[in-house]
Amino acid sequence: GQNIDQPTEMTATEGAIVQINCTYQTSGFNGLFWYQQHAGEAPTFLSYNVLDGLEEKGRFSSFLSRSKGYSYLLLKELQMKDSASYLCAVRSGHNTDKLIFGTGTRLQVFP
Amino acid sequence: GAVVSQHPSRVICKSGTSVKIECRSLDFQATTMFWYRQFPKQSLMLMATSNEGSKATYEQGVEKDKFLINHASLTLSTLTVTSAHPEDSSFYICSAPFPTDSNQPQHFGDGTRLSIL
Repeated sequence: GQNIDQPTEMTATEGAIVQINCTYQTSGFNGLFWYQQHAGEAPTFLSYNVLDGLEEKGRFSSFLSRSKGYSYLLLKELQMKDSASYLCAVRSGHNTDKLIFGTGTRLQVFP
Repeated sequence: GAVVSQHPSRVICKSGTSVKIECRSLDFQATTMFWYRQFPKQSLMLMATSNEGSKATYEQGVEKDKFLINHASLTLSTLTVTSAHPEDSSFYICSAPFPTDSNQPQHFGDGTRLSIL
């Protein structure tokens, strides 16, 4: 089977740093994606990792370790608007754009 | 601006009604589109892959006779929920791969909130 696991909920304080973990076991691997989703809206793309290491984009960074089946999304200088769900997704094949989504993490940022 | 348009954004109807949801790629062709369902406080669950000119590929556990998918052109896929019942109430989202952007494999529509009374 295919499993992509994330913590269900997390809380943090405005201005702080939070790390959201994602572990995966899939039949293949061709990239891992992080999306942000506000309630009732479509997901928006945040980051993409296909090789091991850290990818940084402003306040958001994403890390991948393929040997461990592990990724994390790091959010710095948290703002209230960062309260949302964060979805980890794996593209499991080389000839497909099909994504398998993780369980999602609901992040609540408090003042 | 939006590259994938989904319509309608919200549907409220009686049990037993069939509901059609459209997903259009804007300014690009999509031979493949994806349909997801999302229940409250849960993640996106892939229902099926819509293939232009051929049958859709359904994920395990998804009833193909219940959720009819038609991908009649390179810019349009439709999902029809047949004889909808309250348990079909959910948020349905489509997506399409943007051909020249493999680092962002899918662009999402805005979703359709389906409520069956």
